[in-house]
Amino acid sequence: SQKIEQNSEALNIQEGKTATLTCNYTNYSPAYLQWYRQDPGRGPVFLLLIRENEKEKRKERLKVTFDTTLKQSLFHITASQPADSATYLCALDSGGYQKVTFGTGTKLQVIP
Amino acid sequence: DTGVSQDPRHKITKRGQNVTFRCDPISEHNRLYWYRQTLGQGPEFLTYFQNEAQLEKSRLLSDRFSAERPKGSFSTLEIQRTEQGDSAMYLCASSDTGDPRLGYTFGSGTRLTVV
Repeated sequence: SQKIEQNSEALNIQEGKTATLTCNYTNYSPAYLQWYRQDPGRGPVFLLLIRENEKEKRKERLKVTFDTTLKQSLFHITASQPADSATYLCALDSGGYQKVTFGTGTKLQVIP
Repeated sequence: DTGVSQDPRHKITKRGQNVTFRCDPISEHNRLYWYRQTLGQGPEFLTYFQNEAQLEKSRLLSDRFSAERPKGSFSTLEIQRTEQGDSAMYLCASSDTGDPRLGYTFGSGTRLTVV
């Protein structure tokens, strides 16, 4: 069956360090992979999207990599700040304007 | 445009009662999605619309759940004969099919508590 796995344990890092979150998937052939941020009691907020034929995408302090051979995406936040503390969700899009399927999310805590 | 609006933000209901939630998407978005999220989990897909047509329903969506988007604008999600297992955050999102790079825009959700 299709599965999207994110580290269910919270990730605690020191302010200023780089946070790296992992998204692994099985039995999927995504055309796109998306990353969202979710704060408690709020809906997810779209951060960025990477296509299957792209290896890396950057946006300000964010960097995403996508390895379709390993079936894995890594999400990096450089120079992390306490305001980056949130849950981060990866989501797979099979393309063809179908629905997006979400992982369980990883909670990031940036310690001042 | 103020984004995706959901109403109400919170709903407490007794088991067995019917509830209805409303979602107003971004006006130029023709796709509208409903997801359900429980604590510690990611959003689970329920159903989606392209304009007024309901294109897919999850197997999670039992016969007690129904969704409509009558004029291709706002949408409603109704749960009949609520059960305690229906307690969750119900999220609505919209998107522009023309550009997947923009992702989905979510509302703040309706938190349902069934007592």
